Amino acid sequence: DTEVTQTPKHLVMGMTNKKSLKCEQHMGHRAMYWYKQKAKKPPELMFVYSYEKLSINESVPSRFSPECPNSSLLNLHLHALQPEDSALYLCASSQGIGRNQPQHFGDGTRLSIL
Amino acid sequence: EDKVVQSPLSLVVHEGDTVTLNCSYEVTNFRSLLWYKQEKKAPTFLFMLTSSGIEKKSGRLSSILDKKELFSILNITATQTGDSAVYLCAVGAQKLVFGQGTRLTINP
Repeated sequence: DTEVTQTPKHLVMGMTNKKSLKCEQHMGHRAMYWYKQKAKKPPELMFVYSYEKLSINESVPSRFSPECPNSSLLNLHLHALQPEDSALYLCASSQGIGRNQPQHFGDGTRLSIL
Repeated sequence: EDKVVQSPLSLVVHEGDTVTLNCSYEVTNFRSLLWYKQEKKAPTFLFMLTSSGIEKKSGRLSSILDKKELFSILNITATQTGDSAVYLCAVGAQKLVFGQGTRLTINP
């Protein structure tokens, strides 16, 4: 088990559904990240939050909407997803973006779009 | 565009062998190079390297960075079946750019 907790572990949803992925860390980290990982590919960065503010959006389609309610929580709201959005969604956190500190990953949510 | 290339992409060895995994990179603003091990779920952090020529070591794993030649290696000695995983190299700080990974299989 990692110190970054993601729920749910698995999610199956239809293209018209609205769902949310959740990520929580209690390490006092001030930077949090969402990555998307397709099978047999490396993780690809989607969003970065620093001190609860969106710092980077890697041109992610608007059907993915991140939210950082506080320094410990990061959500990813999903709406009108496409089958190609099926992937492992990984959350990560680090102490801060201005320092050379490693990112620590959660176990991910495996998302399937029907 | 920042680029990270790992080799080999796949490696199969016998338990007890020593392996060397390679990572080369081309980035505009180098901050750090990280190695992760990914089995079925979360990439697990192994090492972060920022300075050239300084070896990081943890048990049977070690890694070194060459900032002049723009590469890093990850060594695993006396391999065990539990070392079977995908090993990912990433460069960056806030934004990590990952290589394709090396899929390592250790046969008993």
